[in-house]
Amino acid sequence: SAVISQKPSRDICQRGTSLTIQCQVDSQVTMMFWYRQQPGQSLTLIATANQGSEATYESGFVIDKFPISRPNLTFSTLTVSNMSPEDSSIYLCSVEARPGQGASGYEQYFGPGTRLTVT
Amino acid sequence: AQSVSQHNHHVILSEAASLELGCNYSYGGTVNLFWYVQYPGQHLQLLLKYFSGDPLVKGIKGFEAEFIKSKFSFNLRKPSVQWSDTAEYFCAVTPSNDYKLSFGAGTTVTVRA
Repeated sequence: SAVISQKPSRDICQRGTSLTIQCQVDSQVTMMFWYRQQPGQSLTLIATANQGSEATYESGFVIDKFPISRPNLTFSTLTVSNMSPEDSSIYLCSVEARPGQGASGYEQYFGPGTRLTVT
Repeated sequence: AQSVSQHNHHVILSEAASLELGCNYSYGGTVNLFWYVQYPGQHLQLLLKYFSGDPLVKGIKGFEAEFIKSKFSFNLRKPSVQWSDTAEYFCAVTPSNDYKLSFGAGTTVTVRA
């Protein structure tokens, strides 16, 4: 399994500002993912970040609002831009790993999340 | 796109009771199936997974799940719960040739001592 850390763990921000969330993993991974978990709801995939290419965004999420960087195989950032109270959520980073040689699928491991409150 | 439904929003049990959480998905092809657990104040952890083979899979902490292909279901079970099983449980699905996880809405399980 992979060990993932996120910074900050939580923040309270004013509307109109931006916050950059960092995700660090303890091993090299090809694919990293960013999710949002709004209060009382399940996880929704924002985008997939591959090293060396632009992130792929899911329907309803755009690069101008959620720019992502992936400078190397162990690190990624997600920026929440021009925030509004509707952006108050937990933002999670995850990575994909094959659980063992010969395994027919991949698992995803999740970071601890960043709890964002926008006032 | 696939979707995942979890039948129960909140389940309250007494210790030693049996637990079964329902999960159904909609996707016509081959899938990989997962149950994740989020204990209070902790991050999401993988409880168990199904890729192929024996449809009855065993995970950590005495949990198991059964994949019934004809019913598009992957229900989670534990014969005797403990207070420490209090958590939120998420079912997730991805097509076998894809990596994008689709999550159910989650079920909050409260175990009373």
